Amino acid sequence: KAGVTQTPRYLIKTRGQQVTLSCSPISGHRSVSWYQQTPGQGLQFLFEYFSETQRNKGNFPGRFSGRQFSNSRSEMNVSTLELGDSALYLCASSSSGGGDTQYFGPGTRLTVL
Amino acid sequence: GNSVTQMEGPVTLSEEAFLTINCTYTATGYPSLFWYVQYPGEGLQLLLKATKADDKGSNKGFEATYRKETTSFHLEKGSVQVSDSAVYFCALSDRDGLTFGKGITLSVRP
Repeated sequence: KAGVTQTPRYLIKTRGQQVTLSCSPISGHRSVSWYQQTPGQGLQFLFEYFSETQRNKGNFPGRFSGRQFSNSRSEMNVSTLELGDSALYLCASSSSGGGDTQYFGPGTRLTVL
Repeated sequence: GNSVTQMEGPVTLSEEAFLTINCTYTATGYPSLFWYVQYPGEGLQLLLKATKADDKGSNKGFEATYRKETTSFHLEKGSVQVSDSAVYFCALSDRDGLTFGKGITLSVRP
């Protein structure tokens, strides 16, 4: 089976812009979660989608949003980018979420200038 | 809320040395426990997991035992290799997803 894929792998944006990241889960997986990884804060949970519905949300401002499509692919959007949004954004999929094992993609490295 | 505490790093070992990375957790209920590894420039790879008390997860020579009485999930390997150099994350999973420790960088010298 193909693993979790994320596009693009690298992005450079300027403050105030918005960005959309994409994640394709492992075939058959219906849950997609997003995480932000920074040197200072480590790995932080953003949100989880299951069957096109947001099921859980971490402690991030409303500028961070996401959605999931009927084929389980997911997108994450960040509006009005700030310098502090520079991070590695990781997507993970699992068969049904909850306590299931999550499998991670390679991440999208976002740099905000 | 749930939390995971990992020992402070970084850790530097010589090849073939014994490795222990400590991990303790605080959680309500009975979470699943995981170790993930991240190589430079890559995402996280699942190393091993345990889903209930006294379970032992193992993979590639690494082992960890789910200890409910000490709320711990320490990672061990009997003989590390240079290729084991990476960042290791302990994590717990419950209905709300994964909670990670801060990670620890392991460097193995030839």
